[in-house]
Amino acid sequence: DAGVTQSPTHLIKTRGQQVTLRCSPKSGHDTVSWYQQALGQGPQFIFQYYEEEERQRGNFPDRFSGHQFPNYSSELNVNALLLGDSALYLCASSSRDRGYTFGSGTRLTVV
Amino acid sequence: DAKTTQPPSMDCAEGRAANLPCNHSTISGNEYVYWYRQIHSQGPQYIIHGLKNNETNEMASLIITEDRKSSTLILPHATLRDTAVYYCIVRNRPWGAGNMLTFGGGTRLMVKP
Repeated sequence: DAGVTQSPTHLIKTRGQQVTLRCSPKSGHDTVSWYQQALGQGPQFIFQYYEEEERQRGNFPDRFSGHQFPNYSSELNVNALLLGDSALYLCASSSRDRGYTFGSGTRLTVV
Repeated sequence: DAKTTQPPSMDCAEGRAANLPCNHSTISGNEYVYWYRQIHSQGPQYIIHGLKNNETNEMASLIITEDRKSSTLILPHATLRDTAVYYCIVRNRPWGAGNMLTFGGGTRLMVKP
């Protein structure tokens, strides 16, 4: 049983560019959450998607947006990249009666 | 969700028990205590959770004080592979969709040979 799959694993972008990160949830999970983890800090909640809608959002600017597809997979989009957006981006899937499972993350470096 | 306080780092000798404390003095009656760990370059991994009774699984034991204001995660026989950052999280839902997990700084556990 595959767990949460994230792609790509590493990415280098230039300041001002746009980036799309992808997540496939664990089998049986219908909810996807995204977290940002800066170096040396705990993960910070970005937003959560359920039934193809954003259900909850953390304290992140509108440059951060997402999407969930009918097969429950999800994308995280970040526009107008800043140097401070460099971080590990984690995707976690869950469902009503099953706890969170995290992917290994995408390491984004903005130069 | 209640805020948690953990020591920033701890050391443990390989083969000995690792006892990781967590203070959650503002916890409310319907809030659960969760523990996750994050091994370097991986996503957080669920360890255990509880409401008010002590819990044990194949990975660890969770001891929650009677007043529920603090808890201790116990790794009974720590190995080098247990070296990780351990996060104590308090939230008001047992599982799944709904509220997010609020991570603090965690405790960096170093298991030494």
